[in-house]
Parts: sequence; structure tokens; C-alpha cells
Amino acid sequence: GQNIDQPTEMTATEGAIVQINCTYQTSGFNGLFWYQQHAGEAPTFLSYNVLDGLEEKGRFSSFLSRSKGYSYLLLKELQMKDSASYLCAVKRRSDSWGKFQFGAGTQVVVTP
Amino acid sequence: GAVVSQHPSRVICKSGTSVKIECRSLDFQATTMFWYRQFPKQSLMLMATSNEGSKATYEQGVEKDKFLINHASLTLSTLTVTSAHPEDSSFYICSARGRRETTTGELFFGEGSRLTVL
Repeated sequence: GQNIDQPTEMTATEGAIVQINCTYQTSGFNGLFWYQQHAGEAPTFLSYNVLDGLEEKGRFSSFLSRSKGYSYLLLKELQMKDSASYLCAVKRRSDSWGKFQFGAGTQVVVTP
Repeated sequence: GAVVSQHPSRVICKSGTSVKIECRSLDFQATTMFWYRQFPKQSLMLMATSNEGSKATYEQGVEKDKFLINHASLTLSTLTVTSAHPEDSSFYICSARGRRETTTGELFFGEGSRLTVL
């Protein structure tokens, strides 16, 4: 089995930075994904990490430490439209591609 | 990016009736589709994996006779909730992958279908 833990909710002000942590315990780790999901909508892909280190993509960055079973998603220069749930998802080597295990999501609330 | 379309986006039905949800890949051939359900403020839970031309593989605890999945073509998979009950009310989301992996490996999700059973 595996556990994927992330905080339930985080609040930050517009223009600020927020870091969403995700810890996981799994056998045969083979990649970690971050998705953004607005209420009532389907998730959209943000980032993918399979090797240790930081991946930067515009205002969003994602970090992975395989030895620690830890990842974070960093959102910079927060905008109101960034208010959404952010899902951490893990792929195991034994699973076919696309069969991911999702965390419960972190609801980010951006305030003016 | 690839587009996956899901229909209907919302459906309300009476208890005991059956509801069909369609998932289509619009610009690629989806060899595999995945069906998830999501309760409010909870994670996406994988229900089943659907491969074109073969029987779906269901996750533990998911009743295959209740959630019928058909993947008859490379662009269409359907999920039928049979004899729906109020506890089946949820957000159902499909995702799809094509023949070749994308460089980043992401899944492409449909817009989701919110089912409410009265």
C-alpha cells in the first residue's frame, strides 16, 4: 500500500508565495505529479518529477527528494485565479502508465 | 495538449435508474482510459482501468456489475452506473492515455460528470 499526505488547506495573500508539501510512502516509486483542480472541474497537469531536484515552470516550481519521500509545489506571485485544490499524485513502477495514486488535495485560498 | 471530453457534465436521476457517462478522446487514440470518482473534499479514487477491446480491470472494492465500463473504440469509453442509489452521487472523472507516452507523462482528464441520485 501507500500513503500520500498533504495539508488540507492553506491561505495566502495575492502576490505572496505558498509552498505545498506532499509526503509519500510507496514501493517502487516511479514519478510524482502535481495537478491543479478548480472546484467542479477536472484536474489539469502542472508538473512531473522523477529525479531529485527542482523543476521550474514559470510561477510554479516542484521539488522532489526520493530518499525522503517528499515533494513540494511552490506557487509564486500568487493570483486570485490560483485559488484551487492542488493534488499530489504518485506513480509506482508496477503500475501501468496512467494509473496514479492521488493525495486528498490541498485547498489553496488566495485572499486580496 | 490532448483533449478529452466527458458527457454529460451534470446528471440528476431517480434512485433505481441507470446512468451512462461518455468519455471521448478528441484528438488522439486512447488505448487506455481510467475512471475515477471523487467525493467532496476527497481524493480522486481510481475505479477501473479500461483498455480498448478488452474487459476493464476494476480496483478492489469496486463492483463491476454496478459500474459497467465499455471501451469499444479507441476514442470512446463509457461508464454506466446501474440501479443508481443516493450513495452513488459523486463526481466521476475519466482520463486517457494514447499509444505513446508524452514526454512528461501527464494524464489528460475529461471535464468530469457530477451525478446526483435522488
